[in-house]
Amino acid sequence: QSALTQPRSVSGSPGQSVTISCTGTSSDVGGYNYVSWYQQHPGKAPKLMIYDVSKRPSGVPDRFSGSKSGNTASLTISGLQAEDEADYYCCSYAGSYSYVFGTGTKVTVL
Amino acid sequence: QITLKESGPTLVKPTQTLTLTCTFSGFSLSTSGVGVGWIRQPPGKALEWLALIYWDDDKRYSPSLKSRLTITKDTSKNQVVLTMTNMDPVDTATYYCAHNVRYSNWFDPWGQGTLVTVSS
Repeated sequence: QSALTQPRSVSGSPGQSVTISCTGTSSDVGGYNYVSWYQQHPGKAPKLMIYDVSKRPSGVPDRFSGSKSGNTASLTISGLQAEDEADYYCCSYAGSYSYVFGTGTKVTVL
Repeated sequence: QITLKESGPTLVKPTQTLTLTCTFSGFSLSTSGVGVGWIRQPPGKALEWLALIYWDDDKRYSPSLKSRLTITKDTSKNQVVLTMTNMDPVDTATYYCAHNVRYSNWFDPWGQGTLVTVSS
């Protein structure tokens, strides 16, 4: 199990959209529709933002959306806001009730 | 409301065994489908999944750390315990526990985390 690959950082101005990619293999991202995304502010615990590739838990703004194509999942933040500045991690089911996280992406709001 | 809180030593010496406890409320590990997982995060680095235990005592481990990890539960105390043997400075990290449900492949919510430093 190798960590899923994410860009180190992405940035955008308020109101713009940013997309974070999460690339795995056919044994994890590509093999299951079980990708989740977590937001982590400095010094805080991760917070679930997306599950099952594209579903949003209640309370998560609809400017957060998820998708997947092949071995790559993506998280898009539309209408970027200052409070969206944080680290984001993807996570995929990898079979036999095991999981693998991504390398993490820092989102900067310019 | 589901809450989880990690507890354990803040400092361990190399080669020692780490024992961490996750105490939770708002759910029971005797309920079908319920599970608790452990995830860690070295300072400034990415999250890493470690282990999971389910209500039926099914246990799952990260393949890379399986030989060093043991996860157990105490249903009566609403606790899950993770032990990691042969600690090394590279194991310095914040360790989180999180709620999970079998067939629901995400972790939510998470505990606040506990920082464990490995140093002589």
